[in-house]
Amino acid sequence: DAGVTQSPTHLIKTRGQQVTLRCSPKSGHDTVSWYQQALGQGPQFIFQYYEEEERQRGNFPDRFSGHQFPNYSSELNVNALLLGDSALYLCASSSSRTGRNEQFFGPGTRLTVL
Amino acid sequence: AQSVTQLGSHVSVSEGALVLLRCNYSSSVPPYLFWYVQYPNQGLQLLLKYTSAATLVKGINGFEAEFKKSETSFHLTKPSAHMSDAAEYFCAVRDGGYQKVTFGTGTKLQVIP
Repeated sequence: DAGVTQSPTHLIKTRGQQVTLRCSPKSGHDTVSWYQQALGQGPQFIFQYYEEEERQRGNFPDRFSGHQFPNYSSELNVNALLLGDSALYLCASSSSRTGRNEQFFGPGTRLTVL
Repeated sequence: AQSVTQLGSHVSVSEGALVLLRCNYSSSVPPYLFWYVQYPNQGLQLLLKYTSAATLVKGINGFEAEFKKSETSFHLTKPSAHMSDAAEYFCAVRDGGYQKVTFGTGTKLQVIP
């Protein structure tokens, strides 16, 4: 079991650019959540995808968008990057079927915006 | 909305000493509570979770936490600290319904030899 995987591990962009981050959930999981963790802070919930739809969203602007594919993998897109978007982006997967209340996290993608 | 407050952004203990990391929650309904650990440059690993089955929860690596409704607390403890316990620890609460998790601001644990 590969667990939750994310790509790329590191990314450097400049202000105004767009970025796409990718996540493959743990085998058997159908729900993917994205979190932003700024330096020295706890993770902040961005949104959650289930059945290829955004099911819940945190307090993030529309510049942050996502997608879930039929194989449950997911992408996070951020447009018009700002310096403040520099952070570790974490993907977490879970299963809607087991009733267990835990999310498994990937290692994250470190985004630096210059 | 549910929330958690972690008291102390940095905690230092000697190797072999008791580890106590504090977490208080705010919730109008019985919460699901979690402790996660994050090692440098890594993702989050679940240490333990409270889901109302038992108030004393045992987790991995010798950690445990006790849910105290009267104090709205879910403090994390370990009887004897190891050097390998040095990491950042996050308390978290699960939102009702779906599975959004709200995290505290984290506590960095330093273990002194």
